[in-house]
Amino acid sequence: DTAVSQTPKYLVTQMGNDKSIKCEQNLGHDTMYWYKQDSKKFLKIMFSYNNKELIINETVPNRFSPKSPDKAHLNLHINSLELGDSAVYFCASSRAGGMPEAFFGQGTRLTVV
Amino acid sequence: DQQVKQNSPSLSVQEGRISILNCDYTNSMFDYFLWYKKYPAEGPTFLISISSIKDKNEDGRFTVFLNKSAKHLSLHIVPSQPGDSAVYFCAASYNDYKLSFGAGTTVTVRA
Repeated sequence: DTAVSQTPKYLVTQMGNDKSIKCEQNLGHDTMYWYKQDSKKFLKIMFSYNNKELIINETVPNRFSPKSPDKAHLNLHINSLELGDSAVYFCASSRAGGMPEAFFGQGTRLTVV
Repeated sequence: DQQVKQNSPSLSVQEGRISILNCDYTNSMFDYFLWYKKYPAEGPTFLISISSIKDKNEDGRFTVFLNKSAKHLSLHIVPSQPGDSAVYFCAASYNDYKLSFGAGTTVTVRA
């Protein structure tokens, strides 16, 4: 039973398209995140939500819009995709209150052509 | 601006020997440090962590050491096993909501 699951695992799309990546966690965690791993393999935080409220937005272009319908879900919608958006996107979750250990999903490899 | 640095991109070690992975950080506000392990095509998996009030934390074959004055931490794996071959990421936090990661060290355990 997967703790943090994200779909799809692979996504190939053309420049200019709009796409969404879905994430769900069944750990009962309050906080969810999106991280991006670029071609240099650095993992960088994009967004953090706590109890459906946005608490961190790390200067991500506004073409990226996270949506949290409830505590267990955090989806990422990307408008007008660009070549530079190609990366692996990881969803993660953690308990709030001094527990920064985050549990990650398996990642979504986005390729923009 | 990378606040967490892993200066060794790779490490090769013989099975049964000790693996030592190093990590340096620049932000003195960091108060919690973590190590993650990552296999290809999978997400990072939490391995072990340490609070800044401690200098050592041990969990089975894995031990993390923290030297706050040097802003340095290390992960010791002993004995190393073939299944330990993976990329290891050091991460640091000063609030509950954001982890800053190093670039990772690829560990290869040779039989």
